[in-house]
Amino acid sequence: KAGVTQTPRYLIKTRGQQVTLSCSPISGHRSVSWYQQTPGQGLQFLFEYFSETQRNKGNFPGRFSGRQFSNSRSEMNVSTLELGDSALYLCASSPGGSPTSDEQYFGPGTRLTVT
Amino acid sequence: GNSVTQMEGPVTLSEEAFLTINCTYTATGYPSLFWYVQYPGEGLQLLLKATKADDKGSNKGFEATYRKETTSFHLEKGSVQVSDSAVYFCALRNGSNYKLTFGKGTLLTVNP
Repeated sequence: KAGVTQTPRYLIKTRGQQVTLSCSPISGHRSVSWYQQTPGQGLQFLFEYFSETQRNKGNFPGRFSGRQFSNSRSEMNVSTLELGDSALYLCASSPGGSPTSDEQYFGPGTRLTVT
Repeated sequence: GNSVTQMEGPVTLSEEAFLTINCTYTATGYPSLFWYVQYPGEGLQLLLKATKADDKGSNKGFEATYRKETTSFHLEKGSVQVSDSAVYFCALRNGSNYKLTFGKGTLLTVNP
């Protein structure tokens, strides 16, 4: 079974631009979560989608948004990029039916650098 | 709210040494507890988990026991290898959603 795929793997953008990152979950998984990883703040939860609906959201400004498609693939978008948005963005997929016992599988991440 | 505190390291050990990485948590209810490992340039891999008090998770020689009385989930391995060099994250998840709350991570370096 193929793992979680994230594209692109590396991205360089300029302040003020916007960016879209993509995540393809494991086949059959319906839940996709996004995390931001930085040296200073560590791993922080952005949001989680299930069946095209956002079920949970972290404490990030409205510049961070996401969506999920009917095939469970998910995208996240960051508008008006700031230097502090430079980070590794990780997505995780899981079956989505049981938060108590489901395992979450992480992709390799997208490394975003904002200059 | 939920929080996870783990020793930040870095931790440097010789091959075959004993490893302990401490992890304590604060949470409402009865969270599930996890250890993830991140190798250089890669995403996170689930190492082990425990979903209720007194459960012991184990994998690849690593173990951790869910101690509700001390709100702890310390990671141990009896004999580390060079290939265990990585960053280790303790995390919790409440049963109501998929949000993982992570500790800051512990960098482990094992020298031959």
